[in-house]
Amino acid sequence: DTGVSQNPRHKITKRGQNVTFRCDPISEHNRLYWYRQTLGQGPEFLTYFQNEAQLEKSRLLSDRFSAERPKGSFSTLEIQRTEQGDSAMYLCASSPITGGNGYTFGSGTRLTVV
Amino acid sequence: TQLLEQSPQFLSIQEGENLTVYCNSSSVFSSLQWYRQEPGEGPVLLVTVVTGGEVKKLKRLTFQFGDARKDSSLHITAAQPGDTGLYLCASSRGNQFYFGTGTSLTVIP
Repeated sequence: DTGVSQNPRHKITKRGQNVTFRCDPISEHNRLYWYRQTLGQGPEFLTYFQNEAQLEKSRLLSDRFSAERPKGSFSTLEIQRTEQGDSAMYLCASSPITGGNGYTFGSGTRLTVV
Repeated sequence: TQLLEQSPQFLSIQEGENLTVYCNSSSVFSSLQWYRQEPGEGPVLLVTVVTGGEVKKLKRLTFQFGDARKDSSLHITAAQPGDTGLYLCASSRGNQFYFGTGTSLTVIP
């Protein structure tokens, strides 16, 4: 297992388009988290899954944001009708259920909305 | 309002100097993590502290969790250019997960 994998690494899209990002977590990890990070700031929690169940989604930034983890393995984060303010790094992390020992992050997807 | 406040926000020092960065909160946490992040990459876990007053060492890095488990510090001895990066503290409460505001460290050769 090579860690948490995110694809694509970079995405440039026009305002109003939909985008989807994929995250493949460490296979033994039950939990998967999505964060957004803007330049010079710490990551901002968006949502997380335990297996296929989405346990928290109130921090998703708007109803244009949605995430799925249909089989409890990989996850996707979709942003509909992108806006320039959505430009950021989107990070995925995974952990065992006892996440208090920290998370393993992917390298992120850098989204630029033009 | 940030649950985890870090200071200083920016720090630029010469190679060989010592430094301390801080992570403070008004809330009590059951555990706290420190991460280091390089540009264009995800954060990498350095340490987890769990017990109030706990001190952990990782080579030249010393981490301390406050007695009341509301604050933590990271001390770097004899900083090297390879220590350059964004240092982040993080914790969780229930189903919410928080990162600090970050300290951007630059070590000048």
